[in-house]
Amino acid sequence: DAGITQSPRYKITETGRQVTLMCHQTWSHSYMFWYRQDLGHGLRLIYYSAAADITDKGEVPDGYVVSRSKTENFPLTLESATRSQTSVYFCASSGRGGATGELFFGEGSRLTVL
Amino acid sequence: AQSVTQLGSHVSVSEGALVLLRCNYSSSVPPYLFWYVQYPNQGLQLLLKYTTGATLVKGINGFEAEFKKSETSFHLTKPSAHMSDAAEYFCAVSLYGGSQGNLIFGKGTKLSVKP
Repeated sequence: DAGITQSPRYKITETGRQVTLMCHQTWSHSYMFWYRQDLGHGLRLIYYSAAADITDKGEVPDGYVVSRSKTENFPLTLESATRSQTSVYFCASSGRGGATGELFFGEGSRLTVL
Repeated sequence: AQSVTQLGSHVSVSEGALVLLRCNYSSSVPPYLFWYVQYPNQGLQLLLKYTTGATLVKGINGFEAEFKKSETSFHLTKPSAHMSDAAEYFCAVSLYGGSQGNLIFGKGTKLSVKP
């Protein structure tokens, strides 16, 4: 199906474990983004990518790693999960970037770190 | 640096009443402004956007917003609320010509609609 999909939708893990959240889009959009959503903070940008093999830090990148070897995929890895990374994570894509274009969001991945 | 302030984390209206969600921004250059809506357990979707041109912008589901440079505001309105409008609404700003990742969101306003 066309669109942007995230997996897993729900994940429970323990402190110190590595977790990877997957994001896949079928539009061939150049830009992809990872946000986290927390009560009282709204959405905060973690990382974004303007094209394959090009990534850049957002507002809250510490503790996260991204890669973009293919245009359609933009995985987010927590190398050693901490409780403060309990959040809902949203992936988004755009054909023209966040500054001028519409972002298309996935349904989110709810991560709980115990 | 640009920022967005949404006044009121929760707004409650009766069905059929006017909806007014407030958004103020700060930016040293002309901004691009957006409103997104998030229904429960879903991602965000674009409601409307202002880039250039007409300052009154119409969006989906009967919503509209007016860019007022003098007041640095971009308030969202709908003349008559419907139960299906219950959701969280986010105002966002970016700079013309700025970094492609630089879309800054407000903290959101949760809209409740009473029957």
